[in-house]
Amino acid sequence: QQQVKQSPQSLIVQKGGIPIINCAYENTAFDYFPWYQQFPGKGPALLIAIRPDVSEKKEGRFTISFNKSAKQFSLHIMDSQPGDSATYFCAASKPGSARQLTFGSGTQLTVLP
Amino acid sequence: DVKVTQSSRYLVKRTGEKVFLECVQDMDHENMFWYRQDPGLGLRLIYFSYDVKMKEKGDIPEGYSVSREKKERFSLILESASTNQTSMYLCASSPSLGQPSHNEQFFGPGTRLTVL
Repeated sequence: QQQVKQSPQSLIVQKGGIPIINCAYENTAFDYFPWYQQFPGKGPALLIAIRPDVSEKKEGRFTISFNKSAKQFSLHIMDSQPGDSATYFCAASKPGSARQLTFGSGTQLTVLP
Repeated sequence: DVKVTQSSRYLVKRTGEKVFLECVQDMDHENMFWYRQDPGLGLRLIYFSYDVKMKEKGDIPEGYSVSREKKERFSLILESASTNQTSMYLCASSPSLGQPSHNEQFFGPGTRLTVL
């Protein structure tokens, strides 16, 4: 079963739009929620991450919103650009020395010029 | 910059062959991971290692084994490749607890394996 559910599978927006990608989790032991960005031909790279003691985190044009009671978190990309076109993965991990990540299924984002 | 390299970008093997995928990291990280990435399924953890010669099963270890004889190198082994193991394989590494960026995994570019 998938412990982290991600939607939508794909998303197309115009330049300047605000794409939103949503994730939901079941395991309340998760205490770290990163988003990874993957460009074609590359491995994923950490974009932004949040812990459940805060409800929002911003880094540049990227914002994570976190709802602990609903066990949901989302990624918002403000003023999206064609260069943001990539696949985005949400993930979650539990405490532990190796910090295994459980990934969502991914969202392929296309930002049209 | 952390660099994680994988031995091949593309690999084509035949059913029943033994396949080795190699991963090397240059940042002295304790933890290393192998994932497979399939459309619609995201990244799924196959095995990980938190120290030399130590390994733990991930979510989908069946049909795979791993080897970590040196800290910087982590190998994924398909003992007898099957067509359902056709996939993109990603290696990652991360520092140990207490180190800077210990929550972050650094990924290699992936190996696309096709089993015919």
